[in-house]
Amino acid sequence: GAVVSQHPSWVICKSGTSVKIECRSLDFQATTMFWYRQFPKQSLMLMATSNEGSKATYEQGVEKDKFLINHASLTLSTLTVTSAHPEDSSFYICSAREGTSSYEQYFGPGTRLTVT
Amino acid sequence: GESVGLHLPTLSVQEGDNSIINCAYSNSASDYFIWYKQESGKGPQFIIDIRSNMDKRQGQRVTVLLNKTVKHLSLQIAATQPGDSAVYFCAETRGPSGGSYIPTFGRGTSLIVHP
Repeated sequence: GAVVSQHPSWVICKSGTSVKIECRSLDFQATTMFWYRQFPKQSLMLMATSNEGSKATYEQGVEKDKFLINHASLTLSTLTVTSAHPEDSSFYICSAREGTSSYEQYFGPGTRLTVT
Repeated sequence: GESVGLHLPTLSVQEGDNSIINCAYSNSASDYFIWYKQESGKGPQFIIDIRSNMDKRQGQRVTVLLNKTVKHLSLQIAATQPGDSAVYFCAETRGPSGGSYIPTFGRGTSLIVHP
């Protein structure tokens, strides 16, 4: 089946620094990738949608200057949390799908970010 | 039994029992529904899906029921095993006729299976 990986699986950073999370589709071309955020014991909240070669579309309330998303190739999207603060600590999950009109999407294993 | 906590409802069952996890969805225009299983510290894992033109679909040990009249979805797990312990999310999405194909996740239910 389709596999999506994320790197790193967990990261600890100091307040004020930036951290980059990678999302890769390993065996298919991901036209569209999604970034979710999940707080403990809560559901997944969509942060943004990115199509390869285009600017990401951010959900309401998500700061695009703080959460930089780059989808430069059909197999890689990156999420950079800039000037991280403790409230940015969360579980970040990406997903990917082939095509723009497809129900199927494949989730990555998630990245645990802790900001101290 | 089932209890509703501050954030995540919890369902506790004994190993071997059948489990039923319920979900209310919000958009009557949604045409595709998915159940995901999420183990602690991992990403969601696809379990089963159903389109809006169906009311029941069966997989291996799992059955999804869809009641569009009351916008309700349920996941039935037969002979529940300790390995089924996880958080289960339903998701709804809308495709053709103006949809984005992007799923909206429900609240989630924590299933605890006692040996």
